Amino acid sequence: EPEVTQTPSHQVTQMGQEVILRCVPISNHLYFYWYRQILGQKVEFLVSFYNNEISEKSEIFDDQFSVERPDGSNFTLKIRSTKLEDSAMYFCASKRLAGRHTDTQYFGPGTRLTVL
Amino acid sequence: DQQVKQNSPSLSVQEGRISILNCDYTNSMFDYFLWYKKYPAEGPTFLISISSIKDKNEDGRFTVFLNKSAKHLSLHIVPSQPGDSAVYFCAASNNNAGNMLTFGGGTRLMVKP
Repeated sequence: EPEVTQTPSHQVTQMGQEVILRCVPISNHLYFYWYRQILGQKVEFLVSFYNNEISEKSEIFDDQFSVERPDGSNFTLKIRSTKLEDSAMYFCASKRLAGRHTDTQYFGPGTRLTVL
Repeated sequence: DQQVKQNSPSLSVQEGRISILNCDYTNSMFDYFLWYKKYPAEGPTFLISISSIKDKNEDGRFTVFLNKSAKHLSLHIVPSQPGDSAVYFCAASNNNAGNMLTFGGGTRLMVKP
């Protein structure tokens, strides 16, 4: 069964450093997402991406964040200058159809980011 | 942001009995609701969904009920099995451009043998 994959599973970085989190969505999916979950808190939407551009972003997704689909398979989240409060689990998700919000989003296993 | 709330952080149920997980929402624009199950160190796994045009959707042991007037949905698992022990999240969306999901805080279900 196809699945969303994410690398690395755990990333440790120093405050102020740049990190890139990588995701490989399910191959025939068109819509891509990043969510995060700070320990003990809710899963929060960060950004959605379709047709090589951001479709929607939350208030969390400020200028320190960017997303890219550098090739036909990867979808990346970059944090330019990490802060302590960026420590969280970051989940990538994808869904097959565009324009159909009733289509299911499938999630990857997550990357645990620890900022020291 | 409390648009989706799961008021019970945990629930303990005996194997074979029914588990009922509840979720409330405040945003009347939500028209699609999902339940995800999450094990530690894994991502959320889709379980079942329901559109606002329905009041019930069933898939095997899982049934989701939607009460639009009360802005309330519930997930019934019957019979409950020890493998169902996990954190359950409800999520909601509306037909906006990004179709983002808004999650509740989760309910940890423990099914005892």
